[in-house]
Amino acid sequence: QSVLTQPPSVSGAPGQRVIISCTGSSSNFGAGYSVHWYQQLPGTAPKVLIYGNTNRPSGVPDRFSGSKSDTSASLAITGLQAEDEADYYCQSYDSSLSGLWVFGGGTKLTVL
Amino acid sequence: QVQLQQWGAGLLKPSETLSLTCAVYGGSFSSYYWTWIRQPSGKGLEWIGEINHSGSTNYNPSLKSRVTISLDASKTQFSLNLSSVTAADTAVYYCARRGFVLVRGVRQYYYDYWGLGTLVTVSS
Repeated sequence: QSVLTQPPSVSGAPGQRVIISCTGSSSNFGAGYSVHWYQQLPGTAPKVLIYGNTNRPSGVPDRFSGSKSDTSASLAITGLQAEDEADYYCQSYDSSLSGLWVFGGGTKLTVL
Repeated sequence: QVQLQQWGAGLLKPSETLSLTCAVYGGSFSSYYWTWIRQPSGKGLEWIGEINHSGSTNYNPSLKSRVTISLDASKTQFSLNLSSVTAADTAVYYCARRGFVLVRGVRQYYYDYWGLGTLVTVSS
């Protein structure tokens, strides 16, 4: 059971907008810790997609955006493309006994 | 550009010790925490532990009794030892750098550089 909860899967057609949620608690997001998002293409290492809630590394298209409020966070992808099909993970810091650095369980995005 | 290159034994028997090493090329070795993360096949990411340049470590409580992370700062390398492995430790193991960003003046940490991963299989 992950400290951060994500839906196992989401899907959308090319060009559509999808949102991936990440639900935390008072010991992570609610305590003011930021959310970071990673994209993992099949057979590759995760790559940071959004850091510090809303920041995109250079090279990440502005179709990807992040937000955070209280104990939840979201990753939005607009103008969905086939190449976006991947697993997405949220990550934060947690002050409980679960471990310092925690990840969500991951969400598989399928482009229909 | 920062690069992390990792290596180690890929096939172990139950009760053996897993040993992996990650070499860091480029960037500052002394300014960051260096981390091990694993991912069982078809599952999510699990933080194992981390070390900084002075040897200060933090470990996942669920693995703490079996994990040792060490470093060789002269070689800008750090290593993972996981003892008494079982089939449940079969996973891809990644090394990563814990970078940071300032959010409202407070450092928030995330993993900005990753190794390619090493598949470790535990089987008798």
